[in-house]
Amino acid sequence: EAGVAQSPRYKIIEKRQSVAFWCNPISGHATLYWYQQILGQGPKLLIQFQNNGVVDDSQLPKDRFSAERLKGVDSTLKIQPAKLEDSAVYLCASSLGGGVDTQYFGPGTRLTVL
Amino acid sequence: AQSVAQPEDQVNVAEGNPLTVKCTYSVSGNPYLFWYVQYPNRGLQFLLKYITGDNLVKGSYGFEAEFNKSQTSFHLKKPSALVSDSALYFCAVRGDSNYQLIWGAGTKLIIKP
Repeated sequence: EAGVAQSPRYKIIEKRQSVAFWCNPISGHATLYWYQQILGQGPKLLIQFQNNGVVDDSQLPKDRFSAERLKGVDSTLKIQPAKLEDSAVYLCASSLGGGVDTQYFGPGTRLTVL
Repeated sequence: AQSVAQPEDQVNVAEGNPLTVKCTYSVSGNPYLFWYVQYPNRGLQFLLKYITGDNLVKGSYGFEAEFNKSQTSFHLKKPSALVSDSALYFCAVRGDSNYQLIWGAGTKLIIKP
């Protein structure tokens, strides 16, 4: 069974530029999550989708971050414009349902903002 | 508010010895507890979870964890450590009333030959 796919694996941009990350979840998984993991910290949930609807985006900085999950399958997370403090690993995860279903993670995208 | 504490930034264990990585939590209602492991430049891998039932949960790679409600703890254990167990370990929790998993800051486990 294929795991969660993410691209790109690494991205370096200048501040104020824009960047987009892509995620393809495990086939059949209805729930998709985007996390931000800053070095030395645990992951922080940015947004959770159930199919193509948003369940929780309370910690998404909506002035600069946006995410969509068209057709309830793959998803894109965008940052525009990027700030230095956005340097982090962006993790995508998926689960069969929500609740206490196990979340399976992709390899992540390491973003460096200069 | 929900919270998770991993009180040790780093744990050092000799190969073959038992290991324990500590986790304590605070949630309202019933806790649902998870352990994940992260190897360098790789995503998080699920080890085990406690939802209900037996307080001793067995997971992947020989790891187990014991849920202790009175001490609000969920410590990760392994009877005999391997050098390949060296990695970053994360504990996470959610309660009844919140969808989100709340994550600890992680504990670096170093197994010395």
